[in-house]
Amino acid sequence: GENVEQHPSTLSVQEGDSAVIKCTYSDSASNYFPWYKQELGKGPQLIIDIRSNVGEKKDQRIAVTLNKTAKHFSLHITETQPEDSAVYFCAASQGDGTASKLTFGTGTRLQVTL
Amino acid sequence: NAGVTQTPKFQVLKTGQSMTLQCAQDMNHNSMYWYRQDPGMGLRLIYYSASEGTTDKGEVPNGYNVSRLNKREFSLRLESAAPSQTSVYFCASSANRGHYGYTFGSGTRLTVV
Repeated sequence: GENVEQHPSTLSVQEGDSAVIKCTYSDSASNYFPWYKQELGKGPQLIIDIRSNVGEKKDQRIAVTLNKTAKHFSLHITETQPEDSAVYFCAASQGDGTASKLTFGTGTRLQVTL
Repeated sequence: NAGVTQTPKFQVLKTGQSMTLQCAQDMNHNSMYWYRQDPGMGLRLIYYSASEGTTDKGEVPNGYNVSRLNKREFSLRLESAAPSQTSVYFCASSANRGHYGYTFGSGTRLTVV
C-alpha cells in the first residue's frame, strides 16, 4: 500500500518568515495530494490540495508543489502569522474510483513565534 | 450547516466494555471514513464506506466493526475495548466523483483503562 513520509516533525519559525514542509509518497498511482491543518482539540481541515496533472498551486500565502517524477510534494507558507501555528498533515490518495482513501503523513507541528 | 457531527466527544471505558461511536454528515456526501489518531503516527484508516450499503477495511480494522446505517450515518463499534484502542477517533466524509477533499468531525477522545 501507499506510504507517506513527512518532514520535519516540528518546525519553529519567526513571524513573517516562510515555512516549508515536505512529503514523499511511494505509490506512483497516487494522483491527489491534499494538505490539512489541525488546531488543538479540533479535526483536521483541508487548506489546499493538488492533483497530479498540476505542478504548483497557490492560494494567498499558501502554495503546494508536486514533483511526480521524484514522488514528493511540499507545502510552502509565506509571511507566517501566529494563527498559522498548528499541526499540518500531508496525504496521498490511492482512490479506487469510488472513494478517495487517503494515506496521511505523521504530521508537522508548526510554531510561529513573535 | 453542521458538516460532520461525532458523538460522544469524550469517553472512558473499562477493558472489555463495548461502545459505539456515532457519526453523521449533512452534506449529502457519498463516502464516509473512520480514522484513529495516535501521537507520532498521523491518522490511520480503520474502515470506510464508499457508498451507502458498502463497507471495507482500512489499514487497522482489527477490534472494530462499522455500520453504514444510511447515507448520512456511519457508526464505529468496539465490541471488547482494549487499552491499545485508546486514541482520538475521527470520522470524515467526501463527495468523491471528482471531489476528493475530506470534511472531518471534531473527534472522539477515547480512553480505555
